[in-house]
Formats: sequence, structure tokens, C-alpha cells
Amino acid sequence: EVQLVESGGGLVQPGGSLRLSCAASGFTFSKYSMHWVRQAPGKGLESVSAISTNGGSTYYSNFVKGRFSISRDNSKNMLYLQMGSLGVEDMAVYFCAREAPNGSYDCWGQGTLVTVSS
Amino acid sequence: DVAMTQSPLSLPVTLGQPASISCRSSQGLVFSDGNTYVNWFQQRPGQSPRRLIYKVSNRDSGVPDRFSGSGSGTDFSLKISRVEAEDVGVYYCMQGTQWPWTFGQGTKVEIK
Repeated sequence: EVQLVESGGGLVQPGGSLRLSCAASGFTFSKYSMHWVRQAPGKGLESVSAISTNGGSTYYSNFVKGRFSISRDNSKNMLYLQMGSLGVEDMAVYFCAREAPNGSYDCWGQGTLVTVSS
Repeated sequence: DVAMTQSPLSLPVTLGQPASISCRSSQGLVFSDGNTYVNWFQQRPGQSPRRLIYKVSNRDSGVPDRFSGSGSGTDFSLKISRVEAEDVGVYYCMQGTQWPWTFGQGTKVEIK
């Protein structure tokens, strides 16, 4: 069974940092590009960042560029999102998602909540 | 960024009746390979999103055939032929043609 399990969310002060992790299982992780998508409380979905199969290419939405860094460890089947200079606007559930070979996401984790507050 | 605009944002429907959601993109979504990467996701309350439709009109495995997607150019739609209680949730269109991939605002489907 394909499974994505996020962790690392929690409460962080404005201006602080946090690292999210996503553990993948049930498929050959190294063959798929991976993404982070977020959803602010009661709001819609936003693509945050993406990474190619070998980590050689990374992509960011403008609102996180320079503050967030996506990475992966194919030997451990792990995806990461290092987040810095966090603001209240970054407060959201962060989902890990697998990129399907057709411009889409075909599998999502359950999400991890990031709360930014003093 | 490509803007995806959905309408309506709220859709009260009677059980057994049809429902339709529109999604308009701010630019054409044909990729260089000739495909149009428009998708539809369902998010039930308290759950992660689930893909229903990919590449405009292809239904995912396990998705009931009462769901259908159509469209071209900049206008796309999701139709539910007969709404059932389990269809309650928020529906999002999404384009995967150009980075950043972008979503519509979401349409909340509820039972009247």
C-alpha cells in the first residue's frame, strides 16, 4: 500500500524555523518527483515546493522562495522541507504529495500542522 | 502564475440531482507534449484531498462513474450526475501544466 506520513509540525514563533519530514513506503520512492502542498485553516490548497527524482531540480512558489528548502534522501525514502523566517501567513497543514506522471498528485499524506504564534 | 477560478463557491444540491462545477484558467493549459493537465480533487471533511479526474476527463480507479470531467482551452467542468450523501465536501480544480501548479478556490458541495 502506498503511504506518505508527514511529521515535524508544531508551534513555532514568528521568524523561527522548522523542518518537516515525509516518510514514504509502498512504492519505489526514487522514481517519483515529490511535492509539498499546504492548506491554511479553513482555506484552499497551495503548491509550495517540488523536487525531482534525484533531487537535482527543485521548484518553489514565489511566496516561499529564499525561505524554504526542499530535499530528499532516496536511501531512506524520505522527503524534507526546511522552513525559515516563518510568519503567520505560513500557518497551515502541510501535505506531502507524490507527483503522478500526468501533471498531478496521485497520493497524499495526512498532513502535519504548522502553527506560527508568539 | 496561472489563476484557476471556480464557480460556484458553494453548491447546495438535492440528493439524486445533478451538480456541475466550472473552472476557468487565466491562460491556455496545453503542455508542450499536447496534453492538458487539468485535474479535479475531492476533499471530504477532515480528510486529505483525493484525486477524481486527471488530464481533463480521465477518471481515477475506484471513482464512481457519476463523476465526469470535460473541457478544453481555458474552460473546464466537473459534473456529478446524481449527488449522493458521500459526495459532500470541497472540490478543487488544479492545473499541472505550468509551475507553480495552482488550484481553484474550491467549491463546497452540501446537501440541501
